[in-house]
Amino acid sequence: SAVISQKPSRDICQRGTSLTIQCQVDSQVTMMFWYRQQPGQSLTLIATANQGSEATYESGFVIDKFPISRPNLTFSTLTVSNMSPEDSSIYLCSVVTGLGNTEAFFGQGTRLTVV
Amino acid sequence: AQKITQTQPGMFVQEKEAVTLDCTYDTSDQSYGLFWYKQPSSGEMIFLIYQGSYDEQNATEGRYSLNFQKARKSANLVISASQLGDSAMYFCAMRETRSNDYKLSFGAGTTVTVRA
Repeated sequence: SAVISQKPSRDICQRGTSLTIQCQVDSQVTMMFWYRQQPGQSLTLIATANQGSEATYESGFVIDKFPISRPNLTFSTLTVSNMSPEDSSIYLCSVVTGLGNTEAFFGQGTRLTVV
Repeated sequence: AQKITQTQPGMFVQEKEAVTLDCTYDTSDQSYGLFWYKQPSSGEMIFLIYQGSYDEQNATEGRYSLNFQKARKSANLVISASQLGDSAMYFCAMRETRSNDYKLSFGAGTTVTVRA
């Protein structure tokens, strides 16, 4: 298994500002993902965080709005840029610890409210 | 097209009784994995159980069991002996292994409320 520390756990931000969310894993992992969960909705994949290269974004998500870094195999950040109230969501980091592994682990989530 | 369908937005269950949460999926892959997660009001996603498409036995983890019917493309979660702490949102998810990208597709979720 993997222990994932995600910070901050929650924040209230002013519109137009940016917030960076950190995801730290206690062991090297193969893959890291960022998901968004809008209020009352299911989880939607934002992007795959690639170590040492640009993230791979899903349709509807762009790097200018959600820049992602992954400098090594245990750490990643997601920035929510130029926030608006529509960005109010739970943001979740997820990891896969090995190819063929049957589990995908999640961080505790970051509950973001934009006012 | 929706890959994971959970048709029950909310369910009530009496404490100590069993509850079945429905999940159907759509894929043309032969190799895939099915997951169930629990999300309490705190927002964290807790892994419950996994079923591989080639697994012949239904997966079980403590009070959780997965009723896997491959021909019908269904993967229902059964929670036995419900406890008040089981009240949460439950998500079914699928990983298709053909693309080797390990991404998960989630259903809309089912809210379970356990009554004392």
